Amino acid sequence: GAGVSQSPSNKVTEKGKDVELRCDPISGHTALYWYRQSLGQGLEFLIYFQGNSAPDKSGLPSDRFSAERTGGSVSTLTIQRTQQEDSAVYLCASSLDGRGQETQYFGPGTRLLVL
Amino acid sequence: QKEVEQNSGPLSVPEGAIASLNCTYSDRGSQSFFWYRQYSGKSPELIMSIYSNGDKEDGRFTAQLNKASQYVSLLIRDSQPSDSATYLCAVGNTGGFKTIFGAGTRLFVKA
Repeated sequence: GAGVSQSPSNKVTEKGKDVELRCDPISGHTALYWYRQSLGQGLEFLIYFQGNSAPDKSGLPSDRFSAERTGGSVSTLTIQRTQQEDSAVYLCASSLDGRGQETQYFGPGTRLLVL
Repeated sequence: QKEVEQNSGPLSVPEGAIASLNCTYSDRGSQSFFWYRQYSGKSPELIMSIYSNGDKEDGRFTAQLNKASQYVSLLIRDSQPSDSATYLCAVGNTGGFKTIFGAGTRLFVKA
């Protein structure tokens, strides 16, 4: 595709519900990253995928957060039993092969609001 | 201790002036350095990357890197109102894949 796409663009949910956020990286990019950005804050690293494996899950805030990637392409970030503090913009980025010296291309983000 | 530090600003400069944005990092082994621009409500987009000590120029933008001082900066010459945004400094760590982002500096260019 032309760029990184994410869906949904906006999500409003009730506290305690589960949500799934989707990321479709640039075709051919093997590395995929999830970040969280709260209002007026910087980017908080959540998880990184190289292919379908996740060498670094250290940024996941709690065991309510999980992510998977299938076919070396699409990734899903799942938040179970959402809490109000989960409200943020969730950004996905991809890069060619994830060697840390590359440009990351960001998707438009999913704006999550937990009521 | 934060790994990548930036002054949150806001930094306000008049149109046509030089805007200077600064960033320090803690990992002495860092090898890759990036400046991203983020407009309000939008996603970050890359402006510059720099890997070696010294200056790198691209149009109105100049990135400067000093590894000994663990310091990277971005200069914007002839600042325009359209440059008003948050500028994120990002550093590639020695682990090879993880990029650490600073909290960003908000820049306002007054017409």
